Amino acid sequence: GAGVSQTPSNKVTEKGKYVELRCDPISGHTALYWYRQSLGQGPEFLIYFQGTGAADDSGLPNDRFFAVRPEGSVSTLKIQRTERGDSAVYLCASSLLGLGGDEQFFGPGTRLTVL
Amino acid sequence: AQTVTQSQPEMSVQEAETVTLSCTYDTSESNYYLFWYKQPPSRQMILVIRQEAYKQQNATENRFSVNFQKAAKSFSLKISDSQLGDTAMYFCAFRPGAGSYQLTFGKGTKLSVIP
Repeated sequence: GAGVSQTPSNKVTEKGKYVELRCDPISGHTALYWYRQSLGQGPEFLIYFQGTGAADDSGLPNDRFFAVRPEGSVSTLKIQRTERGDSAVYLCASSLLGLGGDEQFFGPGTRLTVL
Repeated sequence: AQTVTQSQPEMSVQEAETVTLSCTYDTSESNYYLFWYKQPPSRQMILVIRQEAYKQQNATENRFSVNFQKAAKSFSLKISDSQLGDTAMYFCAFRPGAGSYQLTFGKGTKLSVIP
């Protein structure tokens, strides 16, 4: 595709519900990243995939958060038992090889609101 | 762990003038990369400029240039001939040269270009 796409663009849910956020990276990019951006803050790292495997999940805040990338392309971020504090913009990025200097291309994000 | 500090929450500049955004960082790494990203209201993060720490020459991309002071751990962004389209949040980001490939972002500077 032309760029990284994320769906939905906005998601409103109730406390305690389960949500899934989808990311379609640029075709051919092996590395995929998830970040969370709270209001007035810079993005914070959640998880990094190299191919199908999670190479670094040190940013996931707790075990309610989980992400998959089963075929090495599309990724889904899953949040169980959502809490109001989970409200934020969730950004996805991809890069060609995942090397240090690689440009990370970002999607437009999914704004999650937990009521 | 790395930290990135942007000490200017908001700045403004007259159209066609020059503005400098500040960024400092803290790391024990010897090899790393520094980035400036722009985030307009559409939320899509766009890479403005990238600097490799082992290169002494400051990076330049058209109207955008950096002043990289490795010893001082400073990485400022200069925007020349400011345009209305430059109005956005600007984030400074750090990435190690090896190991974890996550980006660590500052809190951002909101830049307004005044006609």
